[in-house]
Amino acid sequence: QKEVEQNSGPLSVPEGAIASLNCTYSDRGSQSFFWYRQYSGKSPELIMSIYSNGDKEDGRFTAQLNKASQYVSLLIRDSQPSDSATYLCAVVDRGSTLGRLYFGRGTQLTVWP
Amino acid sequence: DAGVTQSPTHLIKTRGQHVTLRCSPISGHKSVSWYQQVLGQGPQFIFQYYEKEERGRGNFPDRFSARQFPNYSSELNVNALLLGDSALYLCASSDKVTGVFYGYTFGSGTRLTVV
Repeated sequence: QKEVEQNSGPLSVPEGAIASLNCTYSDRGSQSFFWYRQYSGKSPELIMSIYSNGDKEDGRFTAQLNKASQYVSLLIRDSQPSDSATYLCAVVDRGSTLGRLYFGRGTQLTVWP
Repeated sequence: DAGVTQSPTHLIKTRGQHVTLRCSPISGHKSVSWYQQVLGQGPQFIFQYYEKEERGRGNFPDRFSARQFPNYSSELNVNALLLGDSALYLCASSDKVTGVFYGYTFGSGTRLTVV
């Protein structure tokens, strides 16, 4: 059973701070990693993808990947109250060309003004 | 361009009943995947169909079944509903890739409540 673990939270940060979300995965052969944001009562929304070791930046979001440590993280700079949501880490099943994903339980983030 | 559409948005069923959920993929996508998200958990893979054939099945009982139609839309059927089937059911579409999978977009989901 492939596992994706996230720090359970909840995580609470003040507006303008950096929020750090972490994820580890069990399948060493995994190649593709995603972060989804999910507002309460809504479906998950893809916000970041990363495939290679290192950092990938998109606006206020930075995804970090370390395959040797089987670790993925998401940093949110200048956090805003609108970032308050649950963040889901997802890993693609190795060998899947159609995109079968394994998700963590999610980390609930609250950004207070 | 329409994204993934799901229907109905919400429904309430009684234990023992069956339910059919529907999904229309993004135009041009030939694969549909179904996920179940129980409150407080991440989505769990149920089924994946490509070109009308089942290409993957998660760890769900036989009460769960699905099919894909010639227009690539899909139905998820659940028989003999249990209280534990109450969840958000998510559909996503994709197309086969030969290299890196770039992720997919979920539909808005169907919220099923079993009472």
